[in-house]
Amino acid sequence: ETGVTQSPTHLIKTRGQQVTLRCSSQSGHNTVSWYQQALGQGPQFIFQYYREEENGRGNFPPRFSGLQFPNYSSELNVNALELDDSALYLCASSLGQVNTGELFFGEGSRLTVL
Amino acid sequence: GQQVMQIPQYQHVQEGEDFTTYCNSSTTLSNIQWYKQRPGGHPVFLIQLVKSGEVKKQKRLTFQFGEAKKNSSLHITATQTTDVGTYFCAGKTGFQKLVFGTGTRLLVSP
Repeated sequence: ETGVTQSPTHLIKTRGQQVTLRCSSQSGHNTVSWYQQALGQGPQFIFQYYREEENGRGNFPPRFSGLQFPNYSSELNVNALELDDSALYLCASSLGQVNTGELFFGEGSRLTVL
Repeated sequence: GQQVMQIPQYQHVQEGEDFTTYCNSSTTLSNIQWYKQRPGGHPVFLIQLVKSGEVKKQKRLTFQFGEAKKNSSLHITATQTTDVGTYFCAGKTGFQKLVFGTGTRLLVSP
């Protein structure tokens, strides 16, 4: 177990809706990264939060947004859902602003958009 | 942008055979990590390589980082059914975030 928990584990939405995914990082970790993993693909970096500030963003549109709270837990919000947003969303926690060590992944939230 | 490709995409071996996956980056990497993802699971960290030409071993697994720090490989000796999963390399350039490779899916038949 990595100590990283995500919720919900599975959810189904329809096009145009909005979704919020949640992540609790491993104790002591102050950095959270979010990844999108489509079926059969590698994880794609969405963004990273360090001490409540966005600290790097991948090639995702602004309708993907996030938050990190003082306890270092995090949320990923996706507005105006599209069919292609169907994927496994992975949260990973780590220590430090610059990734020098391993990422600890949660089990993921599997989103299906109909 | 930075791209990380892996070959092969898929390999099916008999238990006891060896397996190798290769990782190639379009840019020079500061370090490279390897992860294993079991079917239906999440990526789990295996190892990190930092130095040019570095070789590390974990039991039956051997990891190499190329001299130019643009490629890496993972070799598994005498595969077991527990080795089934997808193996990802993930490379980092300077202060950029980890970029995951395309993955190699390994299937091992008993």
